Amino acid sequence: LAKTTQPISMDSYEGQEVNITCSHNNIATNDYITWYQQFPSQGPRFIIQGYKTKVTNEVASLFIPADRKSSTLSLPRVSLSDTAVYYCLVGRGSTLGRLYFGRGTQLTVWP
Amino acid sequence: NAGVTQTPKFQVLKTGQSMTLQCAQDMNHNSMYWYRQDPGMGLRLIYYSASEGTTDKGEVPNGYNVSRLNKREFSLRLESAAPSQTSVYFCASSEAILRDEQFFGPGTRLTVL
Repeated sequence: LAKTTQPISMDSYEGQEVNITCSHNNIATNDYITWYQQFPSQGPRFIIQGYKTKVTNEVASLFIPADRKSSTLSLPRVSLSDTAVYYCLVGRGSTLGRLYFGRGTQLTVWP
Repeated sequence: NAGVTQTPKFQVLKTGQSMTLQCAQDMNHNSMYWYRQDPGMGLRLIYYSASEGTTDKGEVPNGYNVSRLNKREFSLRLESAAPSQTSVYFCASSEAILRDEQFFGPGTRLTVL
């Protein structure tokens, strides 16, 4: 079971870059790494997904080292509206029943 | 497009009562999911449906049943509600299993007394 480990909480200030690291030592060959963001009283929202190396979109970057046992979500120049819980997921289509959300990382951005 | 809709938004039940949570998506997605989220916890997968006509158990299926009524709709039923089922329930959909972005509904906040 490819469970994940993330910091419970992180603090940052507006304008800074935030890096949230997720450990997934038991990641399987076909597993993808996906990050979601959740605001209070809302459902999670997809941020980014990757398999290896680096993936970048308009919101974030995802860095995955060669051994794939960890990944880092990078949020450039955060703002107050980035205060949310961030979840790292590892899994694959054929074993969705083993998908594990975990408790996520509460990111708080201060003015 | 409304995306993923859930009804009701709030519900209070007494122990032993039954109810069905409804979920519908208008994105023509193949896969649908039901999650529960307890206070301070992450989401846990209850059941999922990879495609119309199929359903499978997730991490915490006990006490629940599901029906994939058609491609759009996926319902979650509590036959005999228990206080341990007090939670926020989220429905989600995706074009295909896991590799594609999951779109979540607004959630149903359920309290079982």
